[in-house]
Amino acid sequence: DAEITQSPRHKITETGRQVTLACHQTWNHNNMFWYRQDLGHGLRLIHYSYGVQDTNKGEVSDGYSVSRSNTEDLPLTLESAASSQTSVYFCASSAGVMQPQHFGDGTRLSIL
Amino acid sequence: AQSVTQLDSQVPVFEEAPVELRCNYSSSVSVYLFWYVQYPNQGLQLLLKYLSGSTLVKGINGFEAEFNKSQTSFHLRKPSVHISDTAEYFCAVIMDTGRRALTFGSGTRLQVQP
Repeated sequence: DAEITQSPRHKITETGRQVTLACHQTWNHNNMFWYRQDLGHGLRLIHYSYGVQDTNKGEVSDGYSVSRSNTEDLPLTLESAASSQTSVYFCASSAGVMQPQHFGDGTRLSIL
Repeated sequence: AQSVTQLDSQVPVFEEAPVELRCNYSSSVSVYLFWYVQYPNQGLQLLLKYLSGSTLVKGINGFEAEFNKSQTSFHLRKPSVHISDTAEYFCAVIMDTGRRALTFGSGTRLQVQP
């Protein structure tokens, strides 16, 4: 069965470190998304991609970057981790803009 | 700009009782509406969606929602809940222009009690 996997599931790191969260999907979807989930805010869009070599900023993109070199992967990088970036991060993919998004199980990131 | 408001952060309800989770949105253009459910320590799963056509949409697990354009609402309902429905529920919208990415509400925690 097709799936979307995130790794690691949990990570603890220190402020100032570079961190990369992996997202891999086998749905062959063109669209991929990164969200962060914080209590009281629901999910907020960080970055998204509509295809290879395409990346776009979401509503909370400061301090984050993504790259899309193939269809399956959209890694999320925190260039210099800050405590405000402690959160649960979700990756999602979809076949089209109006199609349902399939979500990974999330990465819980703690920055000390 | 679009926004989504879920009016209740928590909804406690007894098993087998009906429930309604409220969602209102604001947008100056046409929208597409979704409800997702999140069980503990998991990602989100799609419950139902409204893209066009009938304003009453049925989803999985006995849930349904009604799109009301005049009231800009998309409330989620279930006539009889089960313990297993305890989860976080998110309303989300995509505008039919611009970025076309999901904007989520802040979520409603449904707590079903025996």
